[in-house]
Amino acid sequence: NAGVTQTPKFRVLKTGQSMTLLCAQDMNHEYMYWYRQDPGMGLRLIHYSVGEGTTAKGEVPDGYNVSRLKKQNFLLGLESAAPSQTSVYFCATKTSTDTQYFGPGTRLTVL
Amino acid sequence: GESVGLHLPTLSVQEGDNSIINCAYSNSASDYFIWYKQESGKGPQFIIDIRSNMDKRQGQRVTVLLNKTVKHLSLQIAATQPGDSAVYFCAENTNNDMRFGAGTRLTVKP
Repeated sequence: NAGVTQTPKFRVLKTGQSMTLLCAQDMNHEYMYWYRQDPGMGLRLIHYSVGEGTTAKGEVPDGYNVSRLKKQNFLLGLESAAPSQTSVYFCATKTSTDTQYFGPGTRLTVL
Repeated sequence: GESVGLHLPTLSVQEGDNSIINCAYSNSASDYFIWYKQESGKGPQFIIDIRSNMDKRQGQRVTVLLNKTVKHLSLQIAATQPGDSAVYFCAENTNNDMRFGAGTRLTVKP
């Protein structure tokens, strides 16, 4: 039982490049979330999903897209990376009791 | 707008002492609160939670207190250990909208 895993752990991109971050969970949770964490700020919600095939915008969705084709996977895409997207990205899943469990994070640097 | 915040950005305690980390929230409709611990380079780790129909909940060495009158949440850690050194976040949930505070860095001095 791996819980919530994220790949890659680290990535450096040049401005304008694209990439996809993968979040995978083996806990059969319906809800999945993508957050970004920046110094001195709390976690901010980018997008979330309440179930397979559904996604919704969070607090800071601009510049990102997501897909939930399979229940266990939640993908976060950056179509054209910008330096402002340099951050640490966390995926989380939620139990039926509202507790969110987080992955280990992906540290992304955009030059 | 509504926000979740922490009174102190840093807290330093002596090993063995009790620690108290505070959090203020402003959305009176929030019905669920969580404390997370985040160690350097890792994701947030669930510590303890409390629902708005309670004012106190205890776990192993941790206690969460909720004062809805003043919209205040606190995390108490008993007999603080070096392994407790981390950043602690509070989070509030309102209608599936979870908002996080910026965090308090707890440092435990040996």
